Amino acid sequence: NAGVTQTPKFQVLKTGQSMTLQCAQDMNHEYMSWYRQDPGMGLRLIHYSVGAGITDQGEVPNGYNVSRSTTEDFPLRLLSAAPSQTSVYFCASSSRAPTEAFFGQGTRLTVV
Amino acid sequence: AQTVTQSQPEMSVQEAETVTLSCTYDTSENNYYLFWYKQPPSRQMILVIRQEAYKQQNATENRFSVNFQKAAKSFSLKISDSQLGDTAMYFCAFMKQRREGKLTFGQGTILTVHP
Repeated sequence: NAGVTQTPKFQVLKTGQSMTLQCAQDMNHEYMSWYRQDPGMGLRLIHYSVGAGITDQGEVPNGYNVSRSTTEDFPLRLLSAAPSQTSVYFCASSSRAPTEAFFGQGTRLTVV
Repeated sequence: AQTVTQSQPEMSVQEAETVTLSCTYDTSENNYYLFWYKQPPSRQMILVIRQEAYKQQNATENRFSVNFQKAAKSFSLKISDSQLGDTAMYFCAFMKQRREGKLTFGQGTILTVHP
């Protein structure tokens, strides 16, 4: 059982480039979320989804875009990377009766 | 909106001793979950312990236990018989019971266990 799979694990981008962070879960979870982790700030919610075709903004959505066409996948798109988006990104999923969230391995993104 | 505060950026403890990590939160919700997650240097997020707000009994998982004070909105983590493998960042987190699956995290506490 793979759980939540994120790719890539590491990425370096140049300012202005775009990219997509992939997230897939095989637990048939309805809820999926993206967080970014910055020193001294914990993890902050970027976007979340309560089911296929439904997404909403979290605390820090600017500069990011999401879509959820299937239950399994929830990609995060950086439209035009900025140095302020240098961070560690986590994808998480949970069931409709959420008692915990399951996390991917994280992606360390550096924007130069 | 919910807020979670961890006021201890760093803590240290000697191996085999006991340490307590603090967490306070603010919410207008009556039903919710509280969590402690461990993040070792591998970056993996590992669930340590979970507490349902409607349960008065404090949760325990082997060497890990919590002191949940709902009225005071306090949720501390006690680690007994600390081991070198407990060295990690620890996050306190809040989740509404309402069906959204979103977590609100504290700032984290870096725990170092010394031999």
